Amino acid sequence: DAMVIQNPRYQVTQFGKPVTLSCSQTLNHNVMYWYQQKSSQAPKLLFHYYDKDFNNEADTPDNFQSRRPNTSFCFLDIRSPGLGDAAMYLCATSRDTGAVATQYFGPGTRLLVL
Amino acid sequence: GQNIDQPTEMTATEGAIVQINCTYQTSGFNGLFWYQQHAGEAPTFLSYNVLDGLEEKGRFSSFLSRSKGYSYLLLKELQMKDSASYLCAVMDSNYQLIWGAGTKLIIKP
Repeated sequence: DAMVIQNPRYQVTQFGKPVTLSCSQTLNHNVMYWYQQKSSQAPKLLFHYYDKDFNNEADTPDNFQSRRPNTSFCFLDIRSPGLGDAAMYLCATSRDTGAVATQYFGPGTRLLVL
Repeated sequence: GQNIDQPTEMTATEGAIVQINCTYQTSGFNGLFWYQQHAGEAPTFLSYNVLDGLEEKGRFSSFLSRSKGYSYLLLKELQMKDSASYLCAVMDSNYQLIWGAGTKLIIKP
């Protein structure tokens, strides 16, 4: 089945210790997104890639970086996690941008910062 | 600014019908999405409306009025598994998705 896969499902890191979250997709979609979602809040878009074109949201902290080495994979790097970065991180894909660009989500990685 | 409003929490009874409302103020409009999100899981796509009117998909229906900046999600014959958060999201003129915080729906037997 075509899908969006995120690993790991749960990640524990220490304050200030870099961590990388990964996402892969078998949908062959052009666009990949990273969202941060805290409890009972709306998902917050961090970045998205249209193919290899990187688009950073204006209010995404510099502490967050992303890489998309090929169509299938995308990584989220948190350089120095703080306690406030504990959240669910959601990867999503869409075939294209523009109207009717339905986004399909992976299962998410829940990050805990100790 | 851009804003999506939905009730924080609703409670309904198994077998009943519930309507979850969403109002929006956005810079332009290119469609409205409803997603279901079970606790600790990712959102899953339910429906998309871009024209006024009602879209029906089995037990779930979604309605849109662009002139009123209003949508609702109607769930019929409620089942316990429908307990989840329901997120409304609007695509603005820049094709960015603006998300609501979600409505937590609690189903009681």
